[in-house]
Amino acid sequence: QSVLTQPPSVSGAPGQRVTISCSGSSSNIGAGNDVHWYQQLPGTAPKLLMYGNKYRPSGVPDRFSGSKSGTSASLAITGLQAEDEADYYCQSFDSSLNTYVFGSGTKVTVL
Amino acid sequence: QLHLVESGGGVVQPGRSLRLSCAASGFTFSDYAMHWVRQAPGKGLEWVAAIWFDGRNEYYADSVKGRFTISRDNSKNTLYLQMNSLTGEDTAVYYCARGSQVSRWFDPWGQGTLVTVSS
Repeated sequence: QSVLTQPPSVSGAPGQRVTISCSGSSSNIGAGNDVHWYQQLPGTAPKLLMYGNKYRPSGVPDRFSGSKSGTSASLAITGLQAEDEADYYCQSFDSSLNTYVFGSGTKVTVL
Repeated sequence: QLHLVESGGGVVQPGRSLRLSCAASGFTFSDYAMHWVRQAPGKGLEWVAAIWFDGRNEYYADSVKGRFTISRDNSKNTLYLQMNSLTGEDTAVYYCARGSQVSRWFDPWGQGTLVTVSS
């Protein structure tokens, strides 16, 4: 059972906008801990996609954006492309458990 | 170019031990905390352990505490994970990842090494 909750799957047609939610609690996201996002393409290692809630590492297209509010965060993909088909994970730190925590993961399917 | 390469995975019987290694290059290894994260087949990501840049502090997930030991050799730019008393629940791909100096994210990640615990 993951500490952070994500929808198992989201889908959209090419060019559409999809959002992935990441729901936490007052001991992790709500405690002021940053949320980070990772993209895992099939058969590969995770790759940092978004850090500090809303910042993109160099090389990540600006089609990806992140936000955080209260005990939740979200990742948006605009102008969905076939290459975006992957698993996406949110991650934060839980101040009560004193551990790093991941979301359950969301599979993005491009229709 | 930042690079992390894990090794040491394989098939091991329940109750036995295994040591994983992670060779780092492209950055000053001794400046960064390092982590192990695992992913069971078809499952999500689980943080396993962390070690501070100087090796003085170690942290573990409850699921591995007392069985796994993280260590590092800064002179060899190498991270280790000693895994004892392995069970089937430890079957996973194990990734090493560099910690951030600013906040608690992981970047980059290695390609991973598969550990299969089976009789």
